[in-house]
Amino acid sequence: DAKTTQPPSMDCAEGRAANLPCNHSTISGNEYVYWYRQIHSQGPQYIIHGLKNNETNEMASLIITEDRKSSTLILPHATLRDTAVYYCIVRTMYNNNDMRFGAGTRLTVKP
Amino acid sequence: DAGVTQSPTHLIKTRGQQVTLRCSPKSGHDTVSWYQQALGQGPQFIFQYYEEEERQRGNFPDRFSGHQFPNYSSELNVNALLLGDSALYLCASSLKAERTGELFFGEGSRLTVL
Repeated sequence: DAKTTQPPSMDCAEGRAANLPCNHSTISGNEYVYWYRQIHSQGPQYIIHGLKNNETNEMASLIITEDRKSSTLILPHATLRDTAVYYCIVRTMYNNNDMRFGAGTRLTVKP
Repeated sequence: DAGVTQSPTHLIKTRGQQVTLRCSPKSGHDTVSWYQQALGQGPQFIFQYYEEEERQRGNFPDRFSGHQFPNYSSELNVNALLLGDSALYLCASSLKAERTGELFFGEGSRLTVL
């Protein structure tokens, strides 16, 4: 599986957009980018995934660069409840029943 | 519709003992994965069960074993507990045929080994 690199921590002001980067320079053509988050004392929660096109759902947007070597998760209007550890994971469709988590980015949304 | 449920939520054991953790998957799901999360770290994949068999395994010793029952529920067993086994143990379920990559996690079982 392709390795991902994320900054260990980030801050964001409440109400502003939070942009969380992820580097996956060795990603293969059949690997998807998945994002999960883990709020303190809870299990991880799926956010979004994509292959090469940008994706949007009710939680976030995922922007994948044209060369697919990096991506950005965007929370358009961060709230205090978005404070969590965000994980970027690369997996193929055939083994995406088990996610392999790294250290993630600890996002702190400040009032 | 109940989500993933795990029991017990907290437990304390001493070194050398054995522990069994339980997981009921989300309704309709047939695949269960177990993760260990040490304090301050991301979840580490232990193994996955599908059709009552272990299908994939992470880098964990044989002291860690599991089982899946016909109703898709699962157990994680850890023998000869070590202090380093203290962690949050998470269970995740999915429907293998869907292949969406959306796993549903329980709240976890926090194990403390003294």
